[in-house]
Amino acid sequence: EVQLVESGGGLVQPGGSLRLSCAASGFTFSNYWMHWVRQAPGKGLVWVSRINSDESTTTYADSVKGRFTISRDNAKNTLFLQMNSLRADDTAVYFCVRALVNAWGAFDIWGQGTMVTVSS
Amino acid sequence: QSALTQPPSVSGSPGQSVTISCTGTSSDIGSYNRVSWYQQPPGTAPKLMIYEVSNRPSGVPDRFSGSKSGNTASLTISGLQAEDEADYYCSSYTSSSTFVFGGGTKLTVL
Repeated sequence: EVQLVESGGGLVQPGGSLRLSCAASGFTFSNYWMHWVRQAPGKGLVWVSRINSDESTTTYADSVKGRFTISRDNAKNTLFLQMNSLRADDTAVYFCVRALVNAWGAFDIWGQGTMVTVSS
Repeated sequence: QSALTQPPSVSGSPGQSVTISCTGTSSDIGSYNRVSWYQQPPGTAPKLMIYEVSNRPSGVPDRFSGSKSGNTASLTISGLQAEDEADYYCSSYTSSSTFVFGGGTKLTVL
């Protein structure tokens, strides 16, 4: 079964750091571009970041640029999101997402999400 | 990058058709055929319904169709069913090599 399972969320103080992980299974992880998408409580989806299959290209939303870093370990089938200088408006469920090959922006597999709460 | 514009809510009776619009700019929808639509029932992860404007992944009923004209994309659901009640989001690739979602539309089946 194709699956993405996020972990690492939790409660963190403003200015703090958190590292999210996403374990992939059921497909050849190294063939796919991967993304992070977040959703604040009761709000809409917001694209956060993407990484290409060999980690040579990364892109970020302006709201997280310079604070978040996306990376991957293809040997361990794992995607990461290092989040630094966290702010209250980073509070959200963070989804790990797979993009279809040769279909830009077609996010076909989603994890269940991990909740990040930034609060003092 | 501002969010794409969607109506907050739409509604329809079973068997009817509804259309959800998604308006962007010449820097996103207007320049690329990389528009996708997602369905999100409450408390669940989103599901891909349409990609590259009008393509359906396997398993998505052909009641769901997509189109685009200029800076506006549309999702049409025909033969509305109770199970279609959910939030729907559009997304597009942008000229900044990023992606942007719409604000979401709540579909109510009356």
